[in-house]
Amino acid sequence: EIVMTQSPATLSVSPGERVTLSCRASQSVSSSLAWYQQKPGQAPRLLIYGASTRATGIPARFSGSGSGTEFTLTISSLQSEDFAVYYCQQYHNWPPLTFGGGTKVDIK
Amino acid sequence: QVQLQESGPGLVKPSETLSLTCTVSGDSVYTNSFYWSWIRQPPGKGLEWIGYVYYSGSTTYNPSLKSRVAMSVDTSKNQFSLKLSSVTAADTAMYYCARTANWGTLFDYWGQGTLVSVSS
Repeated sequence: EIVMTQSPATLSVSPGERVTLSCRASQSVSSSLAWYQQKPGQAPRLLIYGASTRATGIPARFSGSGSGTEFTLTISSLQSEDFAVYYCQQYHNWPPLTFGGGTKVDIK
Repeated sequence: QVQLQESGPGLVKPSETLSLTCTVSGDSVYTNSFYWSWIRQPPGKGLEWIGYVYYSGSTTYNPSLKSRVAMSVDTSKNQFSLKLSSVTAADTAMYYCARTANWGTLFDYWGQGTLVSVSS
């Protein structure tokens, strides 16, 4: 099973700031990496797949990069609606499909 | 607009079987384009993929749950279902159903989730 590790667990940020979230895989997942956003009381929403491709309707301020074992989700200028928990997910080798533990982005 | 809605008991006794159904609207489960997944999230914790079912009835499960899981699809009702047997308190979670694209790997539409508690 591929283990996904996200850091940091919590990030305190002010609106308008640039945010960088990290995700590491226990072995190479090539570019088979997705990012999801989950707001309180809601289901997750697909943001990024293929490590860097934005899903339909996702604003351009969200970008993903990386390959192999190291990945980054960047929010160029944090908006109030972006305060949420972000999860990475690998789909290179399954079953099982696996998620990281999440990074919570909260208000500084 | 694709919508998914989970339904089922919110409380299950230990050692019994958890049964949930996901009703799909705006799409058909009888399609070779998508798979249909279940994912769960214990309170305050992360996401765990349980498995998926294909329109043909074929399934793939998380090995950690495989011995206790069964999924099925009902094309006449446009629904798919989850059964998890021999539940314990560790199975208490929000259970989500999701449409799964890219050969069963990307969750592009999700239900709102249903909280299932395991308690006597």
